[in-house]
Parts: sequence; structure tokens; C-alpha cells
Amino acid sequence: DAGITQSPRHKVTETGTPVTLRCHQTENHRYMYWYRQDPGHGLRLIHYSYGVKDTDKGEVSDGYSVSRSKTEDFLLTLESATSSQTSVYFCAIRRDRGSGEQYFGPGTRLTVT
Amino acid sequence: GIQVEQSPPDLILQEGANSTLRCNFSDSVNNLQWFHQNPWGQLINLFYIPSGTKQNGRLSATTVATERYSLLYISSSQTTDSGVYFCAVTSLNYGGSQGNLIFGKGTKLSVKP
Repeated sequence: DAGITQSPRHKVTETGTPVTLRCHQTENHRYMYWYRQDPGHGLRLIHYSYGVKDTDKGEVSDGYSVSRSKTEDFLLTLESATSSQTSVYFCAIRRDRGSGEQYFGPGTRLTVT
Repeated sequence: GIQVEQSPPDLILQEGANSTLRCNFSDSVNNLQWFHQNPWGQLINLFYIPSGTKQNGRLSATTVATERYSLLYISSSQTTDSGVYFCAVTSLNYGGSQGNLIFGKGTKLSVKP
């Protein structure tokens, strides 16, 4: 499972509140990713990181920010949650050596009421 | 951007039957992965297969990069094969150097006992 954990696993929050999701890896891979999964859309990339303090936007980055102050942690923040951000959020890593295959964490189910 | 289309969208099988899932992509790719999302939401890596053929037990996959498609074969299906199968690609023309995966919408497989 590439040693990826996500926290919290489930969260219910109200519209307008800030929310931070955490992704933690134990293998010190350089690349980390945040995706969201919605019915009918598969998974879509929100943001990614290619090293400490190095991040960039993905396909659906509006309303999200990220930070990476340590190799092992990648944080996703919703500054002011909206109902359209109700989704399942997956973190992934890309192995630094070999094929570059990506592995995913268990996901966080976020509901914004 | 690159388009990834999977077919069929839904598939119902009797236990023991064989099936073929297809993934078409609209541009050249440098990475192609197949995933199984089980009923609990976990994304399980099946194959990393940007070209060629691989086999793992009852599952096998073939990617014909020049014709822009990949096939996932499931033989002697079991109820535990149920879930959603995703194809995902990276393309150097669309952030592929950073490993940004583009997902299809998936094939939902239901295997009946």
C-alpha cells in the first residue's frame, strides 16, 4: 500500500468553514498528489507536489490550496468549504524509482452541509 | 486535454464468466495504469502497462500504444472481482512529465454468484 495514510477518513462540515485534509507517507517519495472523486467523473487532479515547498495546480484547483513543509506530509486545505466540494478525496504518491507507478491512499469522505 | 474513454460503463456477469474491458485514449501516453476500486472504495493497483502485455493470475492486460487502446481481461470471474475498474494515463503533452494521471470514468462490474 506504499505506506500512505489519510486523515480524517470521514468528515462532515458546514458551508463556509475551513477544512484541512492530511496525507502522510512513510517512504519519502518526491511526488505527491491530491485527487477528488465524484460520481460520473472518475478521479480528477486537484494539486500536486514535486518536493518540499514545491507545488502546482491540477485540473480542478479552484477553491483549494496545498502545502508541503515536510517530505512525508501533504496538506489539502479548503479555505471556505462549499457544497460542491462534497466528495471523496484521495492522496497518491509516485514511486521515485522504477516505473513511476502511482499508489493511492484510502481516501477521505468529506461532506459539506 | 487528453480524453480517456472506457467501455462498457456497466457489466454484469455470472460467476465463472470471462470479460474484456476496454480503454481508449486520444493522444500518446507515457504511462497507463489499471486500478480496481473495491466496494469499500479502496483503489488497488492492477497493472502498470504503457505498452505490451502482462498477466497476473486470472487478470491480464494488453496495451497497443500505436493504436491508443488498452484491454483488461478477467477470466473465471469471482464475486470478489466486483467493483469499478479504472484506466488512467499520463501524457507528455498534458503534464505527463509530472505524473499527472488522467482517469477514465470507469467500468462498473457486478459478478453474481
